[in-house]
Amino acid sequence: GDSVTQMEGPVTLSEEAFLTINCTYTATGYPSLFWYVQYPGEGLQLLLKATKADDKGSNKGFEATYRKETTSFHLEKGSVQVSDSAVYFCALSGNTPLVFGKGTRLSVIA
Amino acid sequence: SAVISQKPSRDICQRGTSLTIQCQVDSQVTMMFWYRQQPGQSLTLIATANQGSEATYESGFVIDKFPISRPNLTFSTLTVSNLSPEDSSIYLCSVPKGRNRRETQYFGPGTRLLVL
Repeated sequence: GDSVTQMEGPVTLSEEAFLTINCTYTATGYPSLFWYVQYPGEGLQLLLKATKADDKGSNKGFEATYRKETTSFHLEKGSVQVSDSAVYFCALSGNTPLVFGKGTRLSVIA
Repeated sequence: SAVISQKPSRDICQRGTSLTIQCQVDSQVTMMFWYRQQPGQSLTLIATANQGSEATYESGFVIDKFPISRPNLTFSTLTVSNLSPEDSSIYLCSVPKGRNRRETQYFGPGTRLLVL
């Protein structure tokens, strides 16, 4: 079945550092790909999405490109802030509504 | 975007009891989804609740343990029955942005359940 694998955390970065969180997927057909973020004590929020190959999703300085050839959707940000500290979930929507990765906890220190 | 509220936001329950979680959406939606997020884990889909029909459960989840009601297009409840400590999780409801279940989903704030 469909599955998502994302890098294990936690990830700790200093403010203004570059962020990459790797995400790869296995799916039949052409899934939509998502990054969701969960801030401390809050529910999940959509961060960005891409619906077809080579699409780039972007929001709040975060970017991810749908790479069909490598079945990847890595999340990047050029300069992280303390307020980006959260858990990030990669997800796909194919034959089921959403299949999530295990989540990567990011802590950004000043 | 849809605004989703859940009640209660958190609860502590004794084993063997049940907890019913309410999910209210500010607009009419055909599908609502219920997820479980166990401590330190990802989200797992429990079931899809469609108005006017029985919920569709994912593998590993059964109606006797997780009965769901969907009385109208803006409301659903999930009951977690015969609680055990293993049921301690965050339970979230969500709705798709459009009519397609593959669409972006909007999530409620979650219900944090601790079973003693």
